[in-house]
Amino acid sequence: EIVLTQSPGTLSLSPGERATLSCRASQSVSSNYLNWFQQKPGQAPRLLIHDASSRATGIPDRFSGSGSGTDFTLTISRLEPEDFAIYYCQQYSRSPITFGQGTRLEIK
Amino acid sequence: EVHLVESGGGLVQPGGSLRLSCVASGFSFSSNWMSWVRQAPGRGLEWVANIKEDGSEKYYVDSVKGRFTVSRDNAKNSLYLQMNGLRADDAAMYYCTRGFGATDYWGQGTLVTVSS
Repeated sequence: EIVLTQSPGTLSLSPGERATLSCRASQSVSSNYLNWFQQKPGQAPRLLIHDASSRATGIPDRFSGSGSGTDFTLTISRLEPEDFAIYYCQQYSRSPITFGQGTRLEIK
Repeated sequence: EVHLVESGGGLVQPGGSLRLSCVASGFSFSSNWMSWVRQAPGRGLEWVANIKEDGSEKYYVDSVKGRFTVSRDNAKNSLYLQMNGLRADDAAMYYCTRGFGATDYWGQGTLVTVSS
């Protein structure tokens, strides 16, 4: 199975700052089948980015995804108060589908 | 508007069974892969199973193979997860989601508790 390792575990930033979240895969993720989800407390996850770099419907353009192979990045250009949440990467290039352990983005 | 509504969760003893249901609306259910994803309390996300549009292909995470069965009834716009031989580590919120990998819609989940 492909193991996804997210870093950092917790990221402390202030509104207006830029956030960079990393997701590293234990094997190459073919066809860039790598997605990013956001989850707030008490809510279901929300798809942000699919296939490494495509924003999902309704996602603001301050969210962007990049990367290929084994290294992927989610960037939030200017943090808004509502962006503080947990972020998960997920791969679906090889069964079983796997998620990273998450990065908690907290207000500094 | 897309809606996914799960039901069927609850308290069950170890070794017991539950059947989760998910009713979909607002989109063409029969034209979409569907998936179940779970999240243990305070933990991360774990993909459990998915099923092709016509039910002809099904995939499971290893830890539930032989115990869980995913199915669907396209006439009823419904997705199911039959869970047998439940264990303590199956306790989680179970989410119904639309799609194979890039699951773009999620229900609010149904909570499964496994305890004696």
